[in-house]
Amino acid sequence: IAGITQAPTSQILAAGRRMTLRCTQDMRHNAMYWYRQDLGLGLRLIHYSNTAGTTGKGEVPDGYSVSRANTDDFPLTLASAVPSQTSVYFCASSGGQGPDTQYFGPGTRLTVL
Amino acid sequence: RKEVEQDPGPFNVPEGATVAFNCTYSNSASQSFFWYRQDCRKEPKLLMSVYSSGNEDGRFTAQLNRASQYISLLIRDSKLSDSATYLCVVNRGNYQLIWGAGTKLIIKP
Repeated sequence: IAGITQAPTSQILAAGRRMTLRCTQDMRHNAMYWYRQDLGLGLRLIHYSNTAGTTGKGEVPDGYSVSRANTDDFPLTLASAVPSQTSVYFCASSGGQGPDTQYFGPGTRLTVL
Repeated sequence: RKEVEQDPGPFNVPEGATVAFNCTYSNSASQSFFWYRQDCRKEPKLLMSVYSSGNEDGRFTAQLNRASQYISLLIRDSKLSDSATYLCVVNRGNYQLIWGAGTKLIIKP
């Protein structure tokens, strides 16, 4: 592994289903982030974690949850998917305690029908 | 009004030309500023940080104007490979990076 990986690459999901997007980094970065990107809008922060064991809410946290059991992994869970959660999801990490340079994974394209 | 605003473009520019675009931000307490580049359907990648004194990296120059609350990006001698969407990013603190929607640049041969 080099950098950040995300899985799956893409997914089509029925509304109401539970889904976990996976994110793993091998850079030993303290901080990790989940964003969604929609056409015509900038990236919007869903949740973040500044270090293992802690998480915080971003701009658009409703309908999403995260956990940070260790430094490397930061999964994002949609408990009951809705069509408005159709988006491209990017995971990112940064090396300091704050959001300095962020490194992104390749993204997950999620479609909720 | 969005906290970070960019002209969506597209800017259609001939190869070799100079192109510049601005980004305005509304929160005067914003602490630091960045330009990221995003290729079609790919992840964003840091292009450069923007410092108060202005900074240059090869063909790219970034400027910050705190009084007028905007940052700018200038690309000289544009290359076909510069075609991308350029994202303006503002750090307002507390782990909150605010992203512009991006300016699309198309360099034509």
